[in-house]
Amino acid sequence: AQSVSQHNHHVILSEAASLELGCNYSYGGTVNLFWYVQYPGQHLQLLLKYFSGDPLVKGIKGFEAEFIKSKFSFNLRKPSVQWSDTAEYFCAVNSFMDSSYKLIFGSGTRLLVRP
Amino acid sequence: NAGVTQTPKFQVLKTGQSMTLQCAQDMNHEYMSWYRQDPGMGLRLIHYSVGAGITDQGEVPNGYNVSRSTTEDFPLRLLSAAPSQTSVYFCASRLRNSGTNTGELFFGEGSRLTVL
Repeated sequence: AQSVSQHNHHVILSEAASLELGCNYSYGGTVNLFWYVQYPGQHLQLLLKYFSGDPLVKGIKGFEAEFIKSKFSFNLRKPSVQWSDTAEYFCAVNSFMDSSYKLIFGSGTRLLVRP
Repeated sequence: NAGVTQTPKFQVLKTGQSMTLQCAQDMNHEYMSWYRQDPGMGLRLIHYSVGAGITDQGEVPNGYNVSRSTTEDFPLRLLSAAPSQTSVYFCASRLRNSGTNTGELFFGEGSRLTVL
């Protein structure tokens, strides 16, 4: 079955630490890849997206992600986290093997940044 | 801009009751969808629609019905609520695909449903 895996369910970091959140997917063919963020009590917002071209994608608030097709991965990174980055992060994949274009989410990673 | 509007924000139901979660968007988006969010399970797609009159099932459609009579509205109906449907529900919309590119999903604020 098609799936999106986020292996880190909870991550705790101190401010200024570097962040890397893993995301792997099991689709073949063309994919569109997304990272969404959900701040406490809020709805999901787009952090960054990959459609094609440069596999290193830069998003808002200093986040970036790298698409590695051979590893079916799209890991999220930030060199130096801030307390305000405390949130839940979701990886999502849209596959074109399935003509219905459904966007499937991973289970999410809760990030807590300690001041 | 209103974006994606969901009502109600909170609802408590008894087992067996029915209700409808409303979703409306004012961005002329062709694609609309409903997700449920449960702890440790992320967001799971319930139903989606690629345009007025067209709906299809997602990952977890059982117990839910949808219809899409207009571009703007995409209500989610629970015909006989069960405790397993206690969750936070999000409506989301986006433009139609452009080739192989899908646009950003815009989410509503969410509807927290408790079934006793």
